[in-house]
Amino acid sequence: QVQLVESGGGLVKPGGSLRLSCAASGFTFSDYYMSWIRQAPGKGLEWVSYISSSGSTIYYTDSVKGRFTVSRDNAKKSLYLQMNSLRAEDTAVYYCARSSDTVAARGIGTWGQGTLVTVSS
Amino acid sequence: NFMLTQPHSVSESPGKTVTISCTRSSGSIASNFVQWYQQRPGSAPTTVIYEDSRRPSGVPDRFSGSIDSSSNSASLTISGLKTEDEADYYCQSYDSSNRVFGGGTKLTVL
Repeated sequence: QVQLVESGGGLVKPGGSLRLSCAASGFTFSDYYMSWIRQAPGKGLEWVSYISSSGSTIYYTDSVKGRFTVSRDNAKKSLYLQMNSLRAEDTAVYYCARSSDTVAARGIGTWGQGTLVTVSS
Repeated sequence: NFMLTQPHSVSESPGKTVTISCTRSSGSIASNFVQWYQQRPGSAPTTVIYEDSRRPSGVPDRFSGSIDSSSNSASLTISGLKTEDEADYYCQSYDSSNRVFGGGTKLTVL
């Protein structure tokens, strides 16, 4: 079955860096747009970034532009999010997500279980 | 940027039908697909409706989605409510530049 497993979350100080990873299985990873979506404690969902199947098209929400970098390795069936210059407001559960179709990142079909990132001194 | 507005909370009794609305602030609701996600307490979201009205495999047909151009809104309807349907529900859509979630609606089944 389709499965997404995130790793790499943890506690980091303001200004620090963290790299999230997502291991995919159960589908042809190279066919799908992939995304990172986050949820701050007690808050709603926020679409952080997406990357096209080939990696040629990338989107970031305004609040992370210049600080976060999304990438993928289709051979390893893995998605990554490099997070630099972290702020307290980046504290959230980060979900890896697969698009519902192979055309674009219009919606999410499958979600991972999430990994918690806490930015605090 | 457009916004998607949902009611903060709704409640209904088991066996009844409930509808959750999602109103788009600018741009036509019909121009871009709407998705709906369910998030039970302490769990990751799951997709219950995609492309306005399509159900992923495994989602019961008690869940249905629709759009209404006259009110520029989308709706998620859940019939034959069960206690297990108690959750937060989020709508989501997009345009050429942005991916937007609604603020979420807490459904209480009592």
